[in-house]
Amino acid sequence: AQSVTQPDIHITVSEGASLELRCNYSYGATPYLFWYVQSPGQGLQLLLKYFSGDTLVQGIKGFEAEFKRSQSSFNLRKPSVHWSDAAEYFCAVGAQGAQKLVFGQGTRLTINP
Amino acid sequence: GAGVSQTPSNKVTEKGKYVELRCDPISGHTALYWYRQSLGQGPEFLIYFQGTGAADDSGLPNDRFFAVRPEGSVSTLKIQRTERGDSAVYLCASSLNSGGFNEQYFGPGTRLTVT
Repeated sequence: AQSVTQPDIHITVSEGASLELRCNYSYGATPYLFWYVQSPGQGLQLLLKYFSGDTLVQGIKGFEAEFKRSQSSFNLRKPSVHWSDAAEYFCAVGAQGAQKLVFGQGTRLTINP
Repeated sequence: GAGVSQTPSNKVTEKGKYVELRCDPISGHTALYWYRQSLGQGPEFLIYFQGTGAADDSGLPNDRFFAVRPEGSVSTLKIQRTERGDSAVYLCASSLNSGGFNEQYFGPGTRLTVT
């Protein structure tokens, strides 16, 4: 069975600083990988996804993520964060032959002005 | 277009009562999913419908939980004899069945509180 680990429960960065949120997955085959963002009272919004091909994927709101098979990682990055990026971020994995997503426990991002 | 909608947005009920949570998927989406998100956790899969039938209900925690989708559109998650541990945000998502892995679009959720 697949699993996802987000090692950082809470991260604080200053506005304008770079950001990297870590995600490690466990799955025997090539996974489908996703990053979602959840703002208070809002549903989950898809930032980006990796299915195959280029291991560096671009998403919305200036985010990108890199799939590294050797490290079983799919870290999310942004070169310069904005105050509006404060939210909860979830990494998720989907398995071939199944349609359910398995989520990590999330990383809460706080932005200092 | 309209996204996934869920009603009610909040539900408070007493332990032992029965509750129904409703999900309206995006028009034309044949697949529908229910997840449960407990405080401080990521969403956990409950059940997946393809059309009217449950294609995967492996995440339902016990037989107090049941979900239906009789006409292949709106779905209702039903919880009998609620317990305090059922308190969570219940999320619904829908997707096209486009082959491969389907991108899921989430609703805002229903916050269930069992007192």
